[in-house]
Amino acid sequence: DVQMTQSPSSLSASVGDRVTLSCRASQSIKKNLNWYQQKPGKAPKLLIYAASGLQGGVPSRFSGSGSGTDFTLTISTLQPEDFATYHCQQTDTFPHTFGQGTKLEIK
Amino acid sequence: EVQLVESGGGLVKPGGSLRLSCVVSGLTFTPVWMSWVRQAPGKGLEWVGRIKSVAAGATTDYAAPVKGRFTISRDDSKDTLYLQMNSLSTEDTAVYYCTTIKNVASAGDYWGQGTLVTVSS
Repeated sequence: DVQMTQSPSSLSASVGDRVTLSCRASQSIKKNLNWYQQKPGKAPKLLIYAASGLQGGVPSRFSGSGSGTDFTLTISTLQPEDFATYHCQQTDTFPHTFGQGTKLEIK
Repeated sequence: EVQLVESGGGLVKPGGSLRLSCVVSGLTFTPVWMSWVRQAPGKGLEWVGRIKSVAAGATTDYAAPVKGRFTISRDDSKDTLYLQMNSLSTEDTAVYYCTTIKNVASAGDYWGQGTLVTVSS
């Protein structure tokens, strides 16, 4: 299976900060990488698909980049509603594994 | 508005069975590929499996921990996705989400609210 490793596991930041989250695959997954946001008690929400595609309705402060094994999710200017857990998922090979998540907390 | 509504979760004893349902509305269900994802309490997301559309053969793929025990199926006449779970163990305790699969990158673009399955004696 492709192992997905997210870093950091948790991150404290302030409203207005620029934040970059990382996701690394154990082998090349080309650009088959998706990012989700999950708030407590809620279902995940798709933010970014195919490494850099912005899902409809998602604010433009979210952006994704990378290919192969290294990917990043950037939030350009943190808003209060962005504090949540972020998950990456590879869909290159089965099983479509997720990372362990990065919890973004208010500093 | 697209809605996915799961049901069928609950408490079941180890070795038991349960069938989850996911009713989809607000989009044309027939051509949509679907998946199940689960999340154990306090843990990350785990992909369970997916089913293609009937036109694509309705073929299924599963994660190793559930293969041979879980079966994903669909009834397009009812706009409904199913997850039949047999030989349940305590490790299957989780919130189970159904998702639609986006054409690009197989991303889960719409998600249900989840249904909790608890396996305990």
